[in-house]
Amino acid sequence: DQQVKQNSPSLSVQEGRISILNCDYTNSMFDYFLWYKKYPAEGPTFLISISSIKDKNEDGRFTVFLNKSAKHLSLHIVPSQPGDSAVYFCAASAGSGAGSYQLTFGKGTKLSVIP
Amino acid sequence: EAGVTQSPTHLIKTRGQQATLRCSPISGHTSVYWYQQALGLGLQFLLWYDEGEERNRGNFPPRFSGRQFPNYSSELNVNALELEDSALYLCASSLDGTTYLYNEQFFGPGTRLTVL
Repeated sequence: DQQVKQNSPSLSVQEGRISILNCDYTNSMFDYFLWYKKYPAEGPTFLISISSIKDKNEDGRFTVFLNKSAKHLSLHIVPSQPGDSAVYFCAASAGSGAGSYQLTFGKGTKLSVIP
Repeated sequence: EAGVTQSPTHLIKTRGQQATLRCSPISGHTSVYWYQQALGLGLQFLLWYDEGEERNRGNFPPRFSGRQFPNYSSELNVNALELEDSALYLCASSLDGTTYLYNEQFFGPGTRLTVL
């Protein structure tokens, strides 16, 4: 039972254009969402997060949108750069109870930004 | 500041053997998390340690175990290795796992375990 789903295994975007990575979740207890970026042979690195009390969070070229009613979040990268090419993981956590602080990850989306 | 470190980088074992993987968290971090990334799958939560205690474990059999030492470093042990245990094992640390604060988890580079 996959609680966090990234339905697109891969995405190709031209340099300078917008990249949109999508993530859906099923567990209504999730109230904190994160995006991680992973380069080959490295561990994931934190990119941006959003709490369920917000519907948008921006950090430079990266914006995360959260639609709680649809249980959907997306990561927008504008403008996309070749260095953004990596695997992006969506993750979620629930804020109470045992195991609250563990992260549940999606399978990842491989983004390729074409120069 | 040094990041999360893991050793060894690669580990090759045969079926039935035991594997021990090690993780050193960022200085000052008390929580350590272990994840498994098998081929074609996302990161699957394995274990969470905080202040020397196991706080939670994921849906893995008991032959996956570990511990956290007084210096907050951690060890993951996998007994009776099976072929499907071949995966990248990632360790992450965070400042504190027991207060209502969403602490970012910082990941190490991982240990690639291959079971032949």
